Amino acid sequence: GENVEQHPSTLSVQEGDSAVIKCTYSDSASNYFPWYKQELGKRPQLIIDIRSNVGEKKDQRIAVTLNKTAKHFSLHITETQPEDSAVYFCAASRDGNAGNMLTFGGGTRLMVKP
Amino acid sequence: KAGVTQTPRYLIKTRGQQVTLSCSPISGHRSVSWYQQTPGQGLQFLFEYFSETQRNKGNFPGRFSGRQFSNSRSEMNVSTLELGDSALYLCASSPGLSFFRDTQYFGPGTRLTVL
Repeated sequence: GENVEQHPSTLSVQEGDSAVIKCTYSDSASNYFPWYKQELGKRPQLIIDIRSNVGEKKDQRIAVTLNKTAKHFSLHITETQPEDSAVYFCAASRDGNAGNMLTFGGGTRLMVKP
Repeated sequence: KAGVTQTPRYLIKTRGQQVTLSCSPISGHRSVSWYQQTPGQGLQFLFEYFSETQRNKGNFPGRFSGRQFSNSRSEMNVSTLELGDSALYLCASSPGLSFFRDTQYFGPGTRLTVL
């Protein structure tokens, strides 16, 4: 089955700096890669996703890049703010007649210091 | 549209008991998935339902089961609870069969504590 590894597990940055979180996946048939932000005690919230037919997607301060050949994708947050502090999860999924499932990475705790 | 809702939000049970958790998807969404979140194991897929049929199941023992009703609402059941079943159980819904085409949204979760 799919295996998703996420690095780093913790990341501390100064407000205004950029943050990069990287994930690798094992199943070359995976075609959907969402990123979720989870604040303490709250649900995971989709912040951006990318499908395998594009290599990059951007939404304001957040961008995701996908390298299908190397089987890795990354989340980039620019101009970080204290409210960006949370746990971020990457995930991968593939379409299939047997159903869909998201396989998650282990999560990255991002701390933005004011 | 209202988001994914889950009931109850918090639950305390003792070992050996059974529990049923409920999930109401976003209106119009027909796919419902369940995930278990623990500090040690992270987010793990339990099962997915579409049109009342279980389409996929994660690597969990048979004590974990689920079902989906004709209105797309779903329930999951855990029998003979163990201490290790203490977790946040998350339900997520999406409109259709393909995550490539559709996006999945999570509910607030049910926090289950087994004593």
